[in-house]
Amino acid sequence: GQNIDQPTEMTATEGAIVQINCTYQTSGFNGLFWYQQHAGEAPTFLSYNVLDGLEEKGRFSSFLSRSKGYSYLLLKELQMKDSASYLCAVFYAGNNRKLIWGLGTSLAVNP
Amino acid sequence: DAGITQSPRHKVTETGTPVTLRCHQTENHRYMYWYRQDPGHGLRLIHYSYGVKDTDKGEVSDGYSVSRSKTEDFLLTLESATSSQTSVYFCAIKESTGGLETQYFGPGTRLLVL
Repeated sequence: GQNIDQPTEMTATEGAIVQINCTYQTSGFNGLFWYQQHAGEAPTFLSYNVLDGLEEKGRFSSFLSRSKGYSYLLLKELQMKDSASYLCAVFYAGNNRKLIWGLGTSLAVNP
Repeated sequence: DAGITQSPRHKVTETGTPVTLRCHQTENHRYMYWYRQDPGHGLRLIHYSYGVKDTDKGEVSDGYSVSRSKTEDFLLTLESATSSQTSVYFCAIKESTGGLETQYFGPGTRLLVL
């Protein structure tokens, strides 16, 4: 199969840094997405990685290691509004351009 | 904002009745998708479309059909609703920019089948 694994839940403190990990099977890998989903809302696109390394976008960064089948989303200077579910999704080659989705990591930011 | 709307936003129906959900987009995207999202299962693809009258099944297509007679509209029909189809349904489009293909989601439809 093409399982995507993420921790189910995480908690962190306002102002801190949190790292959300995602592991996936490497065979056929063709790109990895991170989405944010607030409760009761639709997922919204955060970042995309296809090459090894770190992509930075303001307080959010995403890292990819293709050889290890590993990515993480790094959230800095946490704010209460960052409390949400974070979804990792992977494109696999030959999969008719469909994404395989992880179950998401529910992040609670406490004051 | 990818110009995606879904209707209805909420619906309560009874087992055995047909239900049609509508996804409408205003930006002429070729690819459109229907997902359902349930606790413990994440997002699961029901059907997708790669053009007018061109559709294909996803991983959980049983009990669902789709139609795309115009670029802007992608309809999802539950032929005879069952309680297991109680879920949140999201429509998505795929936007291609500079080689990056990203899916953007509509606001969702909450369906309760009694």
